[in-house]
Amino acid sequence: AQTVTQSQPEMSVQEAETVTLSCTYDTSESDYYLFWYKQPPSRQMILVIRQEAYKQQNATENRFSVNFQKAAKSFSLKISDSQLGDAAMYFCAPTGNQFYFGTGTSLTVIP
Amino acid sequence: DADVTQTPRNRITKTGKRIMLECSQTKGHDRMYWYRQDPGLGLRLIYYSFDVKDINKGEISDGYSVSRQAQAKFSLSLESAIPNQTALYFCATSDPSRFTGELFFGEGSRLTVL
Repeated sequence: AQTVTQSQPEMSVQEAETVTLSCTYDTSESDYYLFWYKQPPSRQMILVIRQEAYKQQNATENRFSVNFQKAAKSFSLKISDSQLGDAAMYFCAPTGNQFYFGTGTSLTVIP
Repeated sequence: DADVTQTPRNRITKTGKRIMLECSQTKGHDRMYWYRQDPGLGLRLIYYSFDVKDINKGEISDGYSVSRQAQAKFSLSLESAIPNQTALYFCATSDPSRFTGELFFGEGSRLTVL
């Protein structure tokens, strides 16, 4: 089984500022994907960004980007120009044949 | 209409009752999953199924059972509900043949066991 650690249960950021959410994991699989999911108060799980482990280039999706360090098994999410709608719980999920989730980071955006 | 539909969305029941949570999908995916979400614990895998004849236990399967009635349907049962099964339950699907490989979630079923 994989282990996934999100060491920041809660984070806050000022609107328009940048925030980074951390995630470390342990896996024995060599070929896998990594995902960040967002869960707003509506409780729907929404895919934010994905990264293929075999790619060295970090994924970017508009204001969201990742810093993927494969050797260190680290996969952090950077949110630039934070908006009020970014307030949510964020889950890191590295996956091979199964999906394992971290315990989540609750992000508050301060107006 | 949602691609992954869960019913009921909310349910309150009593200790000892049998409960079934149902999940249906229109995405044509072979793989289906049931997760449980508790505050501070994230999402934990209960059961998963890679096709109709392939059902596997996840990390917290005790007290739960599942049925894969068809490719599109995957039900989770609590044979005798207990209060610590109060949680938010998610059904999800995936298609490993797609390069993206992500999970597609239903809207969740909030279960309260009194």
